[in-house]
Amino acid sequence: NAGVTQTPKFRILKIGQSMTLQCAQDMNHNYMYWYRQDPGMGLKLIYYSVGAGITDKGEVPNGYNVSRSTTEDFPLRLELAAPSQTSVYFCASRLGQGNTDTQYFGPGTRLTVL
Amino acid sequence: GNSVTQMEGPVTLSEEAFLTINCTYTATGYPSLFWYVQYPGEGLQLLLKATKADDKGSNKGFEATYRKETTSFHLEKGSVQVSDSAVYFCALWRPPQGNMLTFGGGTRLMVKP
Repeated sequence: NAGVTQTPKFRILKIGQSMTLQCAQDMNHNYMYWYRQDPGMGLKLIYYSVGAGITDKGEVPNGYNVSRSTTEDFPLRLELAAPSQTSVYFCASRLGQGNTDTQYFGPGTRLTVL
Repeated sequence: GNSVTQMEGPVTLSEEAFLTINCTYTATGYPSLFWYVQYPGEGLQLLLKATKADDKGSNKGFEATYRKETTSFHLEKGSVQVSDSAVYFCALWRPPQGNMLTFGGGTRLMVKP
């Protein structure tokens, strides 16, 4: 299994540009998550999904959109990039059986908005 | 709401020293508690977890005990190695209030030879 994969690894955007961060998992997990990690800070949840076709906002959803058309994929869309969105973005997934099953994280996408 | 507070870093130790990273939490009821580790340039990995009071999670020589009376989950290791240099995150899970982990700010550990 590849686990959780993310593309791209790095990206530089200009203010106002848009892009999609890709996330895929091959573990047949029900739950998927998008976090952002700002320097020296913990992770903040942007959006999450409990299954295909179902998404919900996390703590910091403004400026982002998500979709979950398949179990495997959970892309994150930035429509009008702003410098405040400069961060490292992590995708994660978990099976969803019980309350304590492990979240598996992808390697992250480092995004800079100039 | 739920919150997790960790000691600020960086923590700098010599190899074979004893490690403690403090973590306290605020949550109603009985959350599950986790330690995640992030090595340079990588995503987070689960290090250990505990799901009820007095449980001890352990892995790779690291331990943490779920203390309900002090709302704490301190991470310890008896003898650190250079390869333990990483950022450590304490986190809690408190369903059914949500489906998300609440993370502390992270503590950077630097181990010198």
